[in-house]
Amino acid sequence: GENVEQHPSTLSVQEGDSAVIKCTYSDSASNYFPWYKQELGKRPQLIIDIRSNVGEKKDQRIAVTLNKTAKHFSLHITETQPEDSAVYFCAASGSNSGYALNFGKGTSLLVTP
Amino acid sequence: DTGVSQDPRHKITKRGQNVTFRCDPISEHNRLYWYRQTLGQGPEFLTYFQNEAQLEKSRLLSDRFSAERPKGSFSTLEIQRTEQGDSAMYLCASSLDRGIYNEQFFGPGTRLTVL
Repeated sequence: GENVEQHPSTLSVQEGDSAVIKCTYSDSASNYFPWYKQELGKRPQLIIDIRSNVGEKKDQRIAVTLNKTAKHFSLHITETQPEDSAVYFCAASGSNSGYALNFGKGTSLLVTP
Repeated sequence: DTGVSQDPRHKITKRGQNVTFRCDPISEHNRLYWYRQTLGQGPEFLTYFQNEAQLEKSRLLSDRFSAERPKGSFSTLEIQRTEQGDSAMYLCASSLDRGIYNEQFFGPGTRLTVL
């Protein structure tokens, strides 16, 4: 089945700096790659996603890139703010895994003022 | 609130007891998913429904677990003869069938503690 690896497990940045989180996946048939933000005690919230037919997508301070050949995708957060502090999860799904999302283990992001 | 809702939010039970959780998806969503999340981990897929049909089950879903979605709307997840290892957050998500467009929206979860 699909295996999603996520790095780093923790990330600390200063307010205003950029943060990058990277994920790799194993199933070449995967075609949908969402990112979720989960604050302590809260539900995972979908913040951005990308499909396999595009290489990059941007939404304000958040961007995601996808390299299908290398089977990796990344989340980029620019101009970080303290409220960006949370755990971020990448996930992948595709025809071989049905519609189930296979999640990475998460990255705990801390943005210090 | 038109988001995914789950009930109860917290459940404490003794080992060996049965528990049942309920999930109400976003009203027009025809797909419903159950995941389990333990501390420090990402959600792990358990099972999913398209309308009332249960189409996929993870190997994590032992025979003590059963899920239903009888009318294609709300769903229940039952755990029989609970074990301490069942302690986790049980998350429900829903999505609208749009081919590979599979945005899943999560509920707040039911936190299960088995003593």
